[in-house]
Amino acid sequence: AQSVTQLDSHVSVSEGTPVLLRCNYSSSYSPSLFWYVQHPNKGLQLLLKYTSAATLVKGINGFEAEFKKSETSFHLTKPSAHMSDAAEYFCVVSEGGNTGGFKTIFGAGTRLFVKA
Amino acid sequence: DTAVSQTPKYLVTQMGNDKSIKCEQNLGHDTMYWYKQDSKKFLKIMFSYNNKELIINETVPNRFSPKSPDKAHLNLHINSLELGDSAVYFCASSLSLPDGRETQYFGPGTRLLVL
Repeated sequence: AQSVTQLDSHVSVSEGTPVLLRCNYSSSYSPSLFWYVQHPNKGLQLLLKYTSAATLVKGINGFEAEFKKSETSFHLTKPSAHMSDAAEYFCVVSEGGNTGGFKTIFGAGTRLFVKA
Repeated sequence: DTAVSQTPKYLVTQMGNDKSIKCEQNLGHDTMYWYKQDSKKFLKIMFSYNNKELIINETVPNRFSPKSPDKAHLNLHINSLELGDSAVYFCASSLSLPDGRETQYFGPGTRLLVL
């Protein structure tokens, strides 16, 4: 059975400092992993995705995530936080099948606060 | 050239009414989904359609019914609306790949408020 756990419900950083949002997953098969961001009163936006290629995945807005199979983790990082990064971040695990249609599980979300 | 679009963006209605939310994707994807995001920001998958066949149907009230006139559209009909239906509803689409992997692309969401 697949599941995803975001270890922090809230993270607060100062502008210009590194960001780390933690995510652990469990999956019966080789999953696809994603990070989405949701700004207040906005829709979901895909930040990056891992689909069995390079384990270090680079996304938009300077974010990146590293897939570590041994640790079943997919933590999201950014070297230097910007005020515009303040948002809700969702870690997502997805398993597919040959007939199409996929089970996609969202984490509970991590709210990122950025202080000036 | 929006990839996944939803209408309306906002919907305010009275309890007991029947309403529909429309979703369209122009990505050529073969699977579409509806998600509900509650006030605590949890996203729950409600339905998915692959080639007009319902393949995932989470435990949702039968007042909710998805309707897919073609591969590019998946509309959500809600009958006898209740206060607890107030939420943001997201449509998404994906393309099945031979190795089973996929990425879901989301619409902007429809904020439903039931009074």
